Amino acid sequence: AQKITQTQPGMFVQEKEAVTLDCTYDTSDPSYGLFWYKQPSSGEMIFLIYQGSYDQQNATEGRYSLNFQKARKSANLVISASQLGDSAMYFCAMREGYRGNQGGKLIFGQGTELSVKP
Amino acid sequence: DTGVSQDPRHKITKRGQNVTFRCDPISEHNRLYWYRQTLGQGPEFLTYFQNEAQLEKSRLLSDRFSAERPKGSFSTLEIQRTEQGDSAMYLCASSLSRRRNQPQHFGDGTRLSIL
Repeated sequence: AQKITQTQPGMFVQEKEAVTLDCTYDTSDPSYGLFWYKQPSSGEMIFLIYQGSYDQQNATEGRYSLNFQKARKSANLVISASQLGDSAMYFCAMREGYRGNQGGKLIFGQGTELSVKP
Repeated sequence: DTGVSQDPRHKITKRGQNVTFRCDPISEHNRLYWYRQTLGQGPEFLTYFQNEAQLEKSRLLSDRFSAERPKGSFSTLEIQRTEQGDSAMYLCASSLSRRRNQPQHFGDGTRLSIL
């Protein structure tokens, strides 16, 4: 069964330092995508970064990078040079391959609350 | 690109009443998704549409829940005979295509509170 696990309920990081948020996943589908979203206290879900199962290189988007280890089924988010505005909930999500009318939905983990200290 | 819009932002109602939420996706997006998020949890998938066709429904979507997307544009989610357990944030998302790397763009959600 498809599953996303985020084992860190909460994390603290000092401003300007890097932080890694863990995500492991379970799927039997060889074709899947992994997403990270940020949810500030205001509630909106903000897309950060995407990694496809067939992508050869780790994804990067500005200060966000994804440490993708396919054999270990992990897709950890690395935030470099943390800023106060990075304080939020972070969700890892997976989308399996499209199959007829199925597919497309995201399966989310339980999230990690990141607090950036000044 | 005006983003995904949801209305209302907040809804408070008494148990047993019916409620309806609206979602306006990004205009060119053909896929529309509904999720439910309870406090301290990640969003859970409810249902999705491709254009006007409802293609997948979660087992979470009991027969008290119904969703429509009549012309392939906006969508409504109705909950009949609301129960305490329906209290949650209801999130709508849309995406452009079946391509794997297309993210879903979320609205700000509708927070439902059942008294």
